[in-house]
Amino acid sequence: DSGVTQTPKHLITATGQRVTLRCSPRSGDLSVYWYQQSLDQGLQFLIQYYNGEERAKGNILERFSAQQFPDLHSELNLSSLELGDSALYFCASSVGTSGRSYNEQFFGPGTRLTVL
Amino acid sequence: QQPVQSPQAVILREGEDAVINCSSSKALYSVHWYRQKHGEAPVFLMILLKGGEQKGHEKISASFNEKKQQSSLYLTASQLSYSGTYFCGTGANAGGTSYGKLTFGQGTILTVHP
Repeated sequence: DSGVTQTPKHLITATGQRVTLRCSPRSGDLSVYWYQQSLDQGLQFLIQYYNGEERAKGNILERFSAQQFPDLHSELNLSSLELGDSALYFCASSVGTSGRSYNEQFFGPGTRLTVL
Repeated sequence: QQPVQSPQAVILREGEDAVINCSSSKALYSVHWYRQKHGEAPVFLMILLKGGEQKGHEKISASFNEKKQQSSLYLTASQLSYSGTYFCGTGANAGGTSYGKLTFGQGTILTVHP
């Protein structure tokens, strides 16, 4: 158990819908990262937040957005869902005292999103 | 750009050794290694930084050749529990605006048989 929690574990929805994935980092971790893992794309970095501020951005679609709240939990919002958005979404956290990439990242169990 | 891992897959008997390589076309600041079992979250194994600093599990060793922009993960005396997919993730320059971003390779599937 990494100490990172994600809810829900599974999510099944229809195309065009909007969903929110939630992540609580390990106690004391200030950085939160979101990743998308699909069979054909591997593990893709989406976005990083550090202490409430966006710090790094990957190939995140405009339909996707995220935020980190004052209590450091983070939410990833996916809207206008398409079949291709079906994937495993991981959240990771690190101590990230400066948001640097050398902090080891601890991954949560993931949310499996299925878009029908 | 995604780092390239080799080999794509490797099959071992318990007790055998393996090396997994990770190559990047971009200058690297850090290399992170993770192992993922099917349906589970990636688990941190090791970080190697430009300049030689590294931290990770005692039973795992790795190298980082900054000039060649390559890293290798050494798995010795393999156990059944080593089976899984190994990913390397490369970190950009710490001074850049994307210093939190890791770009992962496509993974190497390791299978250890009794």
